[in-house]
Amino acid sequence: KNQVEQSPQSLIILEGKNCTLQCNYTVSPFSNLRWYKQDTGRGPVSLTIMTFSENTKSNGRYTATLDADTKQSSLHITASQLSDSASYICVVNDYGQNFVFGPGTRLSVLP
Amino acid sequence: GAVVSQHPSRVICKSGTSVKIECRSLDFQATTMFWYRQFPKQSLMLMATSNEGSKATYEQGVEKDKFLINHASLTLSTLTVTSAHPEDSSFYICSARGAQGQPQHFGDGTRLSIL
Repeated sequence: KNQVEQSPQSLIILEGKNCTLQCNYTVSPFSNLRWYKQDTGRGPVSLTIMTFSENTKSNGRYTATLDADTKQSSLHITASQLSDSASYICVVNDYGQNFVFGPGTRLSVLP
Repeated sequence: GAVVSQHPSRVICKSGTSVKIECRSLDFQATTMFWYRQFPKQSLMLMATSNEGSKATYEQGVEKDKFLINHASLTLSTLTVTSAHPEDSSFYICSARGAQGQPQHFGDGTRLSIL
C-alpha cells in the first residue's frame, strides 16, 4: 500500500533555531516528492520538488534532501522565523495521477 | 508561478442549502483538478479527481450525488455540496495540474460552515 509517513507530528522551537522534518514513503513507482507549507486556513504552497536523481534542493532557508534508496526525505529549516509556523506536508507522486499525502508536521516557532 | 483561485473563501449557510465552490486556474490550462477536504489539524483527504470533459472519479466513501463536480473547461472546475448538513462543515481545497507528471497547484481553500 502506498503510504507517506512524517515525523515528528508536531514540533516547537525557538525563533532563530534550526529544525529538520522527516518523511518516509512507500510509494512505487516514484516520480517526485514535494514539500508543501500550509499556513492555517490557507492552501498548501510548494517549497521544493525533487525527482529520483536529485539528492538535495534548496529554496532560501529551506533545504530538502532525498534518499531514493531508503525512500526517505527531510526538510531542514535554517534560522527559523515566526512566519515559519505552519504545517509542512510531504507529498509523493507516482507517474500517474496519484498524489500520496503525508499527515504533516505542525511546526510552531516561538519568540 | 502558477496560480489557482478558489471562490468563495468562506461560506456560512443554513442546513439544506446547496453550496457551489469554484476553482480556476488563472495562468495555465488545468487538465486535471483535484478536490480535497481537510478537517482541523489533519492532512488533506482527496475527495475526487476530475479531468476536463470527463466525469469525476470519486474516492471510496465520497458520495457523488452529494458532492457534484463539474470540470467543463480547462480553467474551471466546480464542487457543489448539495443539501448541506452540519457534518459537511469543513475546509475544502482544490488543486489543478497541467499535463501528467506536472505538479499540482493549490487554491487557498473554502471554509464551509453549515448551521
